[in-house]
Amino acid sequence: QSALTQPASVSGSPGQSITISCTGTSSDVGNYYYVSWYQQHPGKAPKFMIYDVSKRPSGVSNRFSGSKSGNTASLTISGLQPEDEADYYCCSYAGSTTYVIFGGGTKLTVL
Amino acid sequence: QVQLVESGGGLVKPGGSLRLSCAASGFTFSDYYMSWIRQAPGKGLEWVSYISSSGNTIYYGDSVKGRFTISRDNAKNSLYLQMNSLRAEDTAVYYCARVLWGRGYSGSELDYWGQGTLVTVSS
Repeated sequence: QSALTQPASVSGSPGQSITISCTGTSSDVGNYYYVSWYQQHPGKAPKFMIYDVSKRPSGVSNRFSGSKSGNTASLTISGLQPEDEADYYCCSYAGSTTYVIFGGGTKLTVL
Repeated sequence: QVQLVESGGGLVKPGGSLRLSCAASGFTFSDYYMSWIRQAPGKGLEWVSYISSSGNTIYYGDSVKGRFTISRDNAKNSLYLQMNSLRAEDTAVYYCARVLWGRGYSGSELDYWGQGTLVTVSS
């Protein structure tokens, strides 16, 4: 099964909001509310940011929010800060055959 | 605090084998499902494998099925990945990650990650 589709890059200025899309199929994103998002800074391990489409783990800023419509999930970051510059990956449960699938990743640049 | 420390990476020739370990601390290891995820140099994340808290339920990604074996030793708080018939395309940083408590059904909620261990497959 192919990776979930994310834009290669997005950018925004400090204080602005950006949205990163994650498009799958009716076998993964469209069929389950088990979509999660991860932030990865260069040379670091990924960090758990969003799960169950829109829930935030303890300690994650409320500037990060998630949503889903049909086969596409989205991560929105409001009030962009320089430290938000990182790679972002979506992830979805995809049933008992494929199990878990990641998106290709999106590089966020804070201008 | 939760810590996951991977080890066992290195340089191996195509067709060779390697065994990765992940030492867990700061939580009750036997209560949690665990996963391995890899990241090829300059590329995205790829889910590799998942194991239930008891070790009775295991899943693999298509690219490693039949070549890799995940296991765990709850008495030693350790997770393992035995990698056989290695190929150049297996070159990656391998991360172990903990599945969010109670989320064994989906396994896509990975709340803690180790720093990774680099596996390089090259002649």
